[in-house]
Amino acid sequence: AQSVTQPDIHITVSEGASLELRCNYSYGATPYLFWYVQSPGQGLQLLLKYFSGDTLVQGIKGFEAEFKRSQSSFNLRKPSVHWSDAAEYFCAVGLLNTGTASKLTFGTGTRLQVTL
Amino acid sequence: DAGITQSPRHKVTETGTPVTLRCHQTENHRYMYWYRQDPGHGLRLIHYSYGVKDTDKGEVSDGYSVSRSKTEDFLLTLESATSSQTSVYFCAISERGVGDTQYFGPGTRLTVL
Repeated sequence: AQSVTQPDIHITVSEGASLELRCNYSYGATPYLFWYVQSPGQGLQLLLKYFSGDTLVQGIKGFEAEFKRSQSSFNLRKPSVHWSDAAEYFCAVGLLNTGTASKLTFGTGTRLQVTL
Repeated sequence: DAGITQSPRHKVTETGTPVTLRCHQTENHRYMYWYRQDPGHGLRLIHYSYGVKDTDKGEVSDGYSVSRSKTEDFLLTLESATSSQTSVYFCAISERGVGDTQYFGPGTRLTVL
């Protein structure tokens, strides 16, 4: 079965600093990949997705992610973090051979704290 | 934001009682999903629907049932709630299946005493 690993449970960065959140997946073929963000008490909002094509994907709020097949990774980056980016971030993997539905497997999340 | 509402938003119930959570969408999307979110586990798929009256199990379906009699509504039922079902439940929708983006509702916090 596929799995998604987010090795960092909690990360703290200073406002204005760069950010990289790690995501590794385990699957025999190329999946499609998502990053979602969850603010406290809220649902999940899509930041970006990778399905095929260019391995560097741009998303909302200045985030980007790079798919690296050789490393089975899909790390999320932002060059300059804002205090409003404090939230929990989830990486998710979907498979292409699951019938019709879009079944996603989520990582356990990384909580981002931003210090002023 | 996708038009997804969940009701109730908060519920406290006792062990052994039945509970039904409702997800309502105004997007006319074909696919609907129920997840639970627990610390240290991320989100896990409970059940999903690929059309009216068409549902299937996810990875943590034991103790849960679902129904979808209309495109816009997807109900999650805990026939006899247990403390292990204390969680935050999220509904999601997608227009298409494999490869498509899922959009999430605001969640329901359920506490089973």
